[in-house]
Parts: sequence; C-alpha cells; structure tokens
Amino acid sequence: GAVVSQHPSRVICKSGTSVKIECRSLDFQATTMFWYRQFPKQSLMLMATSNEGSKATYEQGVEKDKFLINHASLTLSTLTVTSAHPEDSSFYICSARVWDRGQGGYTFGSGTRLTVV
Amino acid sequence: GENVEQHPSTLSVQEGDSAVIKCTYSDSASNYFPWYKQELGKRPQLIIDIRSNVGEKKDQRIAVTLNKTAKHFSLHITETQPEDSAVYFCAAKSGNEKLTFGTGTRLTIIP
Repeated sequence: GAVVSQHPSRVICKSGTSVKIECRSLDFQATTMFWYRQFPKQSLMLMATSNEGSKATYEQGVEKDKFLINHASLTLSTLTVTSAHPEDSSFYICSARVWDRGQGGYTFGSGTRLTVV
Repeated sequence: GENVEQHPSTLSVQEGDSAVIKCTYSDSASNYFPWYKQELGKRPQLIIDIRSNVGEKKDQRIAVTLNKTAKHFSLHITETQPEDSAVYFCAAKSGNEKLTFGTGTRLTIIP
C-alpha cells in the first residue's frame, strides 16, 4: 500500500532554533500533503495543506512565517518550525491522499515528537 | 468549515461487551467518514470507513453506520477484547479534501 515516510521520529531542540520535518511518499506521487499537530490527549488539528509547486494554504490561526512548508517535488514535503519555543512541543504528523481501486483514502506518516527545551 | 463532534470522550466496557462511539458533522457536503485507532505516540490506523452513498458497513467485529439526514455516524465494536483498548477518532472529509477529526474517545476494555 501507499507509504509516507516521516523523519525524524523524535527531535529535541533548544528554544530559538529551527527544526525541519520531512515526509516522503515512497511508492506514489503526492500532489497534496496535509500537516497536523497533536497535543497530548488531544485530537489531530490540521495546520496546513501543502501543494506541489505552489504555496501552502494555512488554517486559521497558524502562523505561516513560523511553520514553513515546502513541497518542491511530488514525493517530498517538509515542515520547518522556525524559532521554536516550548509551546511548539507537540506531535507533528503528515498525511497524503491516496487512491486504491478508484476509492480515495488517506495515509499517514509515523509522526515526529518535537520537544523544545 | 467542517466541525466534527465525538462522544463519549472516555468509555469503559467489560470484555466481551459492545462499545459504541458517536460522531456528528456539520458540512452536508462531506462524503467520506473514516474511523481511526491510535496507540500512544503512533500514527492513526484506519479501522473502517464509510462513504456517503452507503448507510452501513461491517468488517468482522467492527461496524459503522451513517445517517446523512441527521449528519451523524457511529462506530460499533462487538465482542470487545483487551487489545481494543486505545484512542479512537472519527473524521469527516469535506469537498476540499481536508480531513477533520473528532475529539477522540479513550476506550478501555476491562478484563
């Protein structure tokens, strides 16, 4: 089945630094990638939608200058958390739309646990 | 945008009994409703889904029902087992391809 590989799985960074998270579609082309954030014991909240070759669209309340998204190819989307602060500590997960025998669904990366100290 | 509400937030059932989780959605254009099981620190795992042209779908011990008129859908797990303990999320896909998640239900199966 369609697989999205997400790296790193865990990262600890110092406050004020930037962290890049990568999601690669391994056996399919993802023109669109969805980025979610999940705080402990909460739901997955959509942050932004990345589109290959064009600007990402951000959900209301998400700072586009802080969460930089790049989708330069059909198999790679990246999320960079700039000037990270402890409140950015969360579980970040990407997702792509996939099609199987004409039926649409979603596949998820394995997630990145970001801890900002 | 789409708004998905999920109840209950926690649910404890005796092993072997049934568990039911309910969700409502707001966007009548939503047409795809998946259910996910999520272990701590892991990605959501699809357990069953239903599309708007179907009212019910079953896969062994798991079933989902959809009432488009009332804009609600439910997950039914029968003959629950300890390994069913996890957090479950419903979701709804609206016309813009975005998937909106419910708030989650922590299911505990009591041996």
